[in-house]
Formats: sequence, structure tokens, C-alpha cells
Amino acid sequence: KAGVTQTPRYLIKTRGQQVTLSCSPISGHRSVSWYQQTPGQGLQFLFEYFSETQRNKGNFPGRFSGRQFSNSRSEMNVSTLELGDSALYLCASRGLAGIDTQYFGPGTRLTVL
Amino acid sequence: QKEVEQNSGPLSVPEGAIASLNCTYSDRVSQSFFWYRQYSGKSPELIMSIYSNGDKEDGRFTAQLNKASQYVSLLIRDSQPSDSATYLCASETSGSRLTFGEGTQLTVNP
Repeated sequence: KAGVTQTPRYLIKTRGQQVTLSCSPISGHRSVSWYQQTPGQGLQFLFEYFSETQRNKGNFPGRFSGRQFSNSRSEMNVSTLELGDSALYLCASRGLAGIDTQYFGPGTRLTVL
Repeated sequence: QKEVEQNSGPLSVPEGAIASLNCTYSDRVSQSFFWYRQYSGKSPELIMSIYSNGDKEDGRFTAQLNKASQYVSLLIRDSQPSDSATYLCASETSGSRLTFGEGTQLTVNP
């Protein structure tokens, strides 16, 4: 079974731009969660989507948004990029919430200049 | 107080020794706990999950959970240089939200 895939793997943007990251979960998984990892703040939860609905949201500004499609693929968007948005963005998928574990994709390394 | 706290690192052990990693959590609602291993530049990889009080063993890894003390630990027996990585403790409360500790960097010296 193929794992979680994320595209692109690396991205360089400048301040003020926007970016869209993509995540394809493990086949059959319907829950997709997004996390941000930085050296200073560690791994922090952004949001979770299940069956195209956002079920849970972390403490991030509205510049961070996401969506999920009917095939469970998910995208997250960051608008008006700031230097502090430079991070590893990780996507995790799980089968059935509450009884399954989350498996992480390889991540997208975003650098904001 | 941080929701999930891990023992300060870095931790260095000789090859073949037992590495002990500890984690405490503050939210008593937490029901599920996980240990992830993360190599430098890579994404977290699930090592162990534990949901009930007591010990859970998987190969060289043993996870221990004590809900009364709000404590989770991971023991790595016969540590190998390939075990050198950052180990992340995580708790899950509502839905699929994982709360992570800051991580403990483990180095196993040959």
C-alpha cells in the first residue's frame, strides 16, 4: 500500500506571496491532518479534514487554510507569507478516527525569503 | 505548563545499552499516546502506540503508560547506532489532534 505523498517536496517563496501544498493520503484513509514543524515551536497541529469537512483547527492565523476533496486529497494554503512561515509542513493520514494511528508523509520544506 | 513535556536531552548511550525516554502530559482527557522517531531531515515515523495502562512491547521497544501519574515512557533495549534520532512523544485528545513534546535527541555511540 502506498504511503502518504506530499507535493512539492521543496518550495522557495518570497514574503507576501501565497503557497498551496498538496497531500494525498494512504488509499482508503479519509482523515488528513496538517502540522507545522519549526525548530523553535516544534510540531504544531494546523487542522484536520475528514470527508471534506474541517473537524479540528489549531491556533494559527486565518492566513492558513485548507480543504479536502472527495477523493480525500487535501490542500493547504498560506497567504501573505511571512518569514516565520518557513517550516516543514507535514501531512498525516489515518483510517478511522479514534481507532487508528496517524502516518506522516515526507513533508514539504517551505522557505520564505 | 506545556501539554506534553519530554525529559531534556540530548541523551547519549553506548551501543547495546538501554535508552530510557520519558514524557508527561497535563490533559487528563488524553486517551492515546504515541512515540514517533524522526531522523534529521525526515518526517516522523511511528514507533509505538499505547492506549491502556501498563507495558506494551514490540521487539526492542517497550512503551509504558501510567494514566494516574500522567506519564509515558519508551525503553529501547540493545540500542543500536541506527536508533540515533529525535524521539517525539505525542498525546491525542479530541479527534485527530496530536500534541507533541519538544522531542528528545538520542545518540547511540558505537
